[in-house]
Amino acid sequence: GAVVSQHPSRVICKSGTSVKIECRSLDFQATTMFWYRQFPKKSLMLMATSNEGSKATYEQGVEKDKFLINHASLTLSTLTVTSAHPEDSSFYICSALRQGSSDTQYFGPGTRLTVL
Amino acid sequence: LAKTTQPISMDSYEGQEVNITCSHNNIATNDYITWYQQFPSQGPRFIIQGYKTKVTNEVASLFIPADRKSSTLSLPRVSLSDTAVYYCLVGENTGRRALTFGSGTRLQVQP
Repeated sequence: GAVVSQHPSRVICKSGTSVKIECRSLDFQATTMFWYRQFPKKSLMLMATSNEGSKATYEQGVEKDKFLINHASLTLSTLTVTSAHPEDSSFYICSALRQGSSDTQYFGPGTRLTVL
Repeated sequence: LAKTTQPISMDSYEGQEVNITCSHNNIATNDYITWYQQFPSQGPRFIIQGYKTKVTNEVASLFIPADRKSSTLSLPRVSLSDTAVYYCLVGENTGRRALTFGSGTRLQVQP
């Protein structure tokens, strides 16, 4: 099956700092990747759609200046949480779209962000 | 995007077959049905995907009636390790549309 990795798996940072999370598709190329966040015992919420070589599309209510997304290659998308605050603490999950006869999203293992 | 409705939770015992049904009354012609499994603090794992009739892989079977307004994920002989949240999603097969996650079904398998 398709493999998607995320790094780091867990990060703890101080309030006001910025954190970068990487999402890589390891065995396929993905022109489209997605970023989600998930709060405890809640479902995944889409934050943005990341397209290789173009600007990301953000969902309503997601601050594009706070959550910077870069999709510089067909196998890598990054999410940078700028000036993080405790309310940004969450589980961030990326997915990569593998296109074929039926397009399928494959998810990374997630990144647990804790902002102190 | 087609909205989905699933039971919030289900209980089962080891060795039993579990069937989780998902309703998607306003599914569009181009929509595929995809099921994911998620364990705590992990990303969702792809289980199975289908468009119509029946799809089977090494993990599960997916039954889709002719009207495609619902689908049933069938897990044969569940074990304790199948305890997880299962999400049914419906999305357009264009490669551009994101998936909208509903609340999922929390399956608890007991010994």
